[in-house]
Amino acid sequence: AQKITQTQPGMFVQEKEAVTLDCTYDTSDPSYGLFWYKQPSSGEMIFLIYQGSYDQQNATEGRYSLNFQKARKSANLVISASQLGDSAMYFCAMREGSGRGFKTIFGAGTRLFVKA
Amino acid sequence: DTAVSQTPKYLVTQMGNDKSIKCEQNLGHDTMYWYKQDSKKFLKIMFSYNNKELIINETVPNRFSPKSPDKAHLNLHINSLELGDSAVYFCASRSDGQNNSPLHFGNGTRLTVT
Repeated sequence: AQKITQTQPGMFVQEKEAVTLDCTYDTSDPSYGLFWYKQPSSGEMIFLIYQGSYDQQNATEGRYSLNFQKARKSANLVISASQLGDSAMYFCAMREGSGRGFKTIFGAGTRLFVKA
Repeated sequence: DTAVSQTPKYLVTQMGNDKSIKCEQNLGHDTMYWYKQDSKKFLKIMFSYNNKELIINETVPNRFSPKSPDKAHLNLHINSLELGDSAVYFCASRSDGQNNSPLHFGNGTRLTVT
């Protein structure tokens, strides 16, 4: 069975600083993908960034980057220059299966608080 | 235009009642999902449908019955509601074309069973 672990229930960061949210995963499938989603207090789920297991470079999307260490099975999200609006729950997720049987399983989430 | 819309946003009902949540997507995606988010924010997949066909059923009690009249709609009907069914239910869809396609979520339906 595949598994996603987010060990930080809550994190604090000062505005304008960078923060790393940890995610480790467990899979025996050589082909997999990792996603990060943001859930603000308003409740919607927002896709942030994707990393494929065969991708040669770490993914980046604006202020978001993924520190992907395949041998360690970790896919940490780095948010640079934190903003007050980054305060939210962040979920790491992994693709399981392919084609029509594709499903996404989620970690327990990390709540990020950005301090002014 | 809202990509994935679900109604109602809030649903308060008593134990034993039957209720439905509707979901529609206008993204042209072939696959739709229902996820349940519990009070601790944990998200768990319940069902997936591909072009009206049930693909994934994650050992959900048979009081929960999804129905997909067409590939743009996936509704969730819940019979004999129990206190433990209280949660936020998210509908989502994705494109089958590529493995990096993310889920597109609706805004959730907060179900409270009293």
